Amino acid sequence: EVKLVESGGGLVQPGGSLRLSCAASGFTFTTFAMNWIRQAPGKGLEWVSGISGSGGSTYYADSVKGRFTISKDNFKNTLYLQINSLRDEDTAVYFCAKSDGYNSGWLDYWGQGTLVTVSS
Amino acid sequence: DIQMTQSPSSLSASVGDRVTITCRASQAISNDLAWFQHKPGKAPKLLIYGASTLQYGVPSKFSGSGSGTDFTLTIISLQPEDFATYYCQQYNTYPLTFGGGTKVEIK
Repeated sequence: EVKLVESGGGLVQPGGSLRLSCAASGFTFTTFAMNWIRQAPGKGLEWVSGISGSGGSTYYADSVKGRFTISKDNFKNTLYLQINSLRDEDTAVYFCAKSDGYNSGWLDYWGQGTLVTVSS
Repeated sequence: DIQMTQSPSSLSASVGDRVTITCRASQAISNDLAWFQHKPGKAPKLLIYGASTLQYGVPSKFSGSGSGTDFTLTIISLQPEDFATYYCQQYNTYPLTFGGGTKVEIK
């Protein structure tokens, strides 16, 4: 059974940093791309970042490029999102999701999400 | 970036109704289109991928069609558990992009 469990969210001041984690199980972690998607309060889903199965290719939304860094530890089966220079508009529930393919594909499994609140 | 435009943004329907949601891509994406159902406090659920292929375990009351730039999601015989927000999403090109969502509410 595929399972994705996010952690690391919390309350952070503007300009602060946070690292989100997504522990994966139930599939071969190196074979599939992984993604982060967020949902701000009262808004829709926004794809944030993606990474290939090996971790060699990374992709970002323009809104987070230069501030967010996606990575994965294929030994720990864990996906990460390092978030720097946090802004009010980064307040959201952050979901990790597995792609069906090595580099992309449909998002077939999602975690329950972790809440990031940016506020002074 | 590929823009995904969903319509309507919300709709009211009764139990037993049939509803159709449309999604338009700003450029051709072949059939690289997925549909998701999302309920508050839950993980989004994949319903359809490849524009028309039902994800395993999803009931056949959901169906998808389209290719290129225009796509539809149809739900027949609406039940209370179907009231949720539905999103289309393209995975043809990075950055991946979602439609704005369609909230299906009880009339």
